[in-house]
Amino acid sequence: EDQVTQSPEALRLQEGESSSLNCSYTVSGLRGLFWYRQDPGKGPEFLFTLYSAGEEKEKERLKATLTKKESFLHITAPKPEDSATYLCAVQEVGGSYIPTFGRGTSLIVHP
Amino acid sequence: DGGITQSPKYLFRKEGQNVTLSCEQNLNHDAMYWYRQDPGQGLRLIYYSQIVNDFQKGDIAEGYSVSREKKESFPLTVTSAQKNPTAFYLCASRATGSGNTIYFGEGSWLTVV
Repeated sequence: EDQVTQSPEALRLQEGESSSLNCSYTVSGLRGLFWYRQDPGKGPEFLFTLYSAGEEKEKERLKATLTKKESFLHITAPKPEDSATYLCAVQEVGGSYIPTFGRGTSLIVHP
Repeated sequence: DGGITQSPKYLFRKEGQNVTLSCEQNLNHDAMYWYRQDPGQGLRLIYYSQIVNDFQKGDIAEGYSVSREKKESFPLTVTSAQKNPTAFYLCASRATGSGNTIYFGEGSWLTVV
């Protein structure tokens, strides 16, 4: 069973159509949860780190939230340039700081 | 500018050859990592190093080797023992403290011909 599950696998939105990406995790203790954006053929770009339930972080049209079992990446009024794969990763308490990654959500925003 | 530099961006390997992917960082990070990314799969850890002259196997280390002789450098060798090496390879690094965030390089594409 995967420790980190992202859904949906793929999401198509119209420009301006807000939505959310989900990252659910099953670790005994959370050290940190990370969101990355990855463009085709490039390395992941760091977006946010969340540490505890109730925490929220924002950056432009993106807002990440965290509960005890999942995180959401909310995209408000997306633009075509927001099209990318969004990766979630989890660091477990007691581990060697190595994050476990989900498979990502591929987002396409149509103009 | 500070960052992680991977080279080459594209590499072609013939059957039976060893190839080495370079990773250099000027972020003064202690820990460095190598991941492999295949279509439809998450990032899989190949090797990691928490400190100079020390490294550990990740989940898919077979057919790969690394060295960590300098803090800035963590090269990955894909040996002929790796049966399915065609993939996108990502190097990453992490500073102790600073939220423990891992930062990535731009990646290297390896294709077997």
